[in-house]
Amino acid sequence: AQSVTQLDSQVPVFEEAPVELRCNYSSSVSVYLFWYVQYPNQGLQLLLKYLSGSTLVKGINGFEAEFNKSQTSFHLRKPSVHISDTAEYFCAVSEGGTSGTYKYIFGTGTRLKVLA
Amino acid sequence: DTEVTQTPKHLVMGMTNKKSLKCEQHMGHRAMYWYKQKAKKPPELMFVYSYEKLSINESVPSRFSPECPNSSLLNLHLHALQPEDSALYLCASSQAGHSNQPQHFGDGTRLSIL
Repeated sequence: AQSVTQLDSQVPVFEEAPVELRCNYSSSVSVYLFWYVQYPNQGLQLLLKYLSGSTLVKGINGFEAEFNKSQTSFHLRKPSVHISDTAEYFCAVSEGGTSGTYKYIFGTGTRLKVLA
Repeated sequence: DTEVTQTPKHLVMGMTNKKSLKCEQHMGHRAMYWYKQKAKKPPELMFVYSYEKLSINESVPSRFSPECPNSSLLNLHLHALQPEDSALYLCASSQAGHSNQPQHFGDGTRLSIL
């Protein structure tokens, strides 16, 4: 079974500073990786996804992530954060099930807190 | 704007009540999901429907009963719930049969059991 590790439960960062949220996965087969953001009292919103091709993936709101197969990582980065980026961030890998049904394996989440 | 609509947004019910949560999407997705999310935790998968048939049940107690009446609607029927069932219930949808398709989430129903 696959697993996803987000080692940092909380990341405080000052406004306009860069940030990196770490995600490591375990899989011996091809992986599809996703980053989601969850603002308070809302559902999860897709930030970006890695399916294949270029290892640098650009997403919404100025976020990007780099897929590194040798290090089994998919870290999320933003060069300059805003107060509005304060939220919970989840990394997920898609895992196959029976009859062509697929499900996500989520990491435990990283709370990004942007300080003024 | 979310493309997956969940109603109601909030629900308070007693342990003996029967209620239902509803989820609707019009993106033509044929896979739909129910998740339970506790505070400061990732979503936990409960059920997956693929082409209106239940394909995954993650050993969820029978007091939760899912239903997929058509390709756009997903319901979760609740009966005799326990206080520990208080949580945010999220619905999601995606293209079916492809592991590379992202899931689209609704904003959830916040359920409180008295």
